[in-house]
Amino acid sequence: DGGITQSPKYLFRKEGQNVTLSCEQNLNHDAMYWYRQDPGQGLRLIYYSQIVNDFQKGDIAEGYSVSREKKESFPLTVTSAQKNPTAFYLCASSKRGQGTGELFFGEGSRLTVL
Amino acid sequence: RKEVEQDPGPFNVPEGATVAFNCTYSNSASQSFFWYRQDCRKEPKLLMSVYSSGNEDGRFTAQLNRASQYISLLIRDSKLSDSATYLCVVKDSNYQLIWGAGTKLIIKP
Repeated sequence: DGGITQSPKYLFRKEGQNVTLSCEQNLNHDAMYWYRQDPGQGLRLIYYSQIVNDFQKGDIAEGYSVSREKKESFPLTVTSAQKNPTAFYLCASSKRGQGTGELFFGEGSRLTVL
Repeated sequence: RKEVEQDPGPFNVPEGATVAFNCTYSNSASQSFFWYRQDCRKEPKLLMSVYSSGNEDGRFTAQLNRASQYISLLIRDSKLSDSATYLCVVKDSNYQLIWGAGTKLIIKP
């Protein structure tokens, strides 16, 4: 079955550590996204990529980094520069740009900083 | 003012009842509108797009009011399985998706 796989599902880290969240899709979608979800807030866009080897900052890119070396993969690194990294992170993909409105999400990665 | 606002709820509704909730948006140039559903601690999934003339999908009806800048979602004959958080999403004039924080719906037997 086609879909998006995120890992790990739960992650704990100490302050000052970088962590990388994996996102893989086999939907043959060109566009991929990373969102952050916090209680009481809408999803906020961290980074997105429309094609391989290209990505753009979203609204809250500070303290995060991404790469898009393969169409299927869009890993997110949460660096120690991110001041408040505890959150639910969602990776998504779409057939074209997110203007279509239909995004397919992975199950999410819940990061807790101790 | 938030770009997309929703009543967080929760809306507690008996099974079989009809429930409706709205979502307001601030940018009058917004292009398109969507409703997503998110179950507790799960990922969001597209429920339906919202068309200018209104649209229906089974028990779900979505409406757009451009003059007052809101969209609505109506659920008829509610089921226990409808319990979820409903997220309003607006595509702005830059083709970016702006997400509301969601309205929590609890259907009670």
